Amino acid sequence: GAVVSQHPSRVICKSGTSVKIECRSLDFQATTMFWYRQFPKQSLMLMATSNEGSKATYEQGVEKDKFLINHASLTLSTLTVTSAHPEDSSFYICSANIQGGSYEQYFGPGTRLTVT
Amino acid sequence: GQNIDQPTEMTATEGAIVQINCTYQTSGFNGLFWYQQHAGEAPTFLSYNVLDGLEEKGRFSSFLSRSKGYSYLLLKELQMKDSASYLCAVRALSGGYNKLIFGAGTRLAVHP
Repeated sequence: GAVVSQHPSRVICKSGTSVKIECRSLDFQATTMFWYRQFPKQSLMLMATSNEGSKATYEQGVEKDKFLINHASLTLSTLTVTSAHPEDSSFYICSANIQGGSYEQYFGPGTRLTVT
Repeated sequence: GQNIDQPTEMTATEGAIVQINCTYQTSGFNGLFWYQQHAGEAPTFLSYNVLDGLEEKGRFSSFLSRSKGYSYLLLKELQMKDSASYLCAVRALSGGYNKLIFGAGTRLAVHP
């Protein structure tokens, strides 16, 4: 089956620093990847849609200069949280669609970010 | 706008049947998903409906009525391991992309 990995699974950083989260499709090519954020006991909120070779499309209210997304290849998308603050502490999850495939989105295992 | 409603919490007894409802108001509707999510983990796919009717998969069934903007997930023969959050998500075409819009989730507690 289609597998999506994320790295790191957990990260703790100090306020003001930047953190990069990687999302990889391991056994398929993904033209489109999605980044979600989930606060405790809340649902997933779509942050942005990442397309290989083009700029990401951000959802309303998501700061593109704070959450930098790069989709450098058909198997890798990165999310960089710049100048992190404690309120950025959250569970970040990526998902991917198979290129030319069906409807299903395959989710990564998530990254728990804690900003101190 | 996009709006998805589902109950916040439900409880049920092991071995019983539970139905989790979801109503939605979205533009560009292109299918509805149900996901299961355990705390601290990513969602796992349960079902997908794009046409009206019932889809059955083992102990899980999902129903969709597009005219009513309504879906439900039916879990039979409940097991303790079914205690989790259940997320209703609408696939919507927006800006040239199919996006998933999630409801807030229903936390199901199964007790002996």
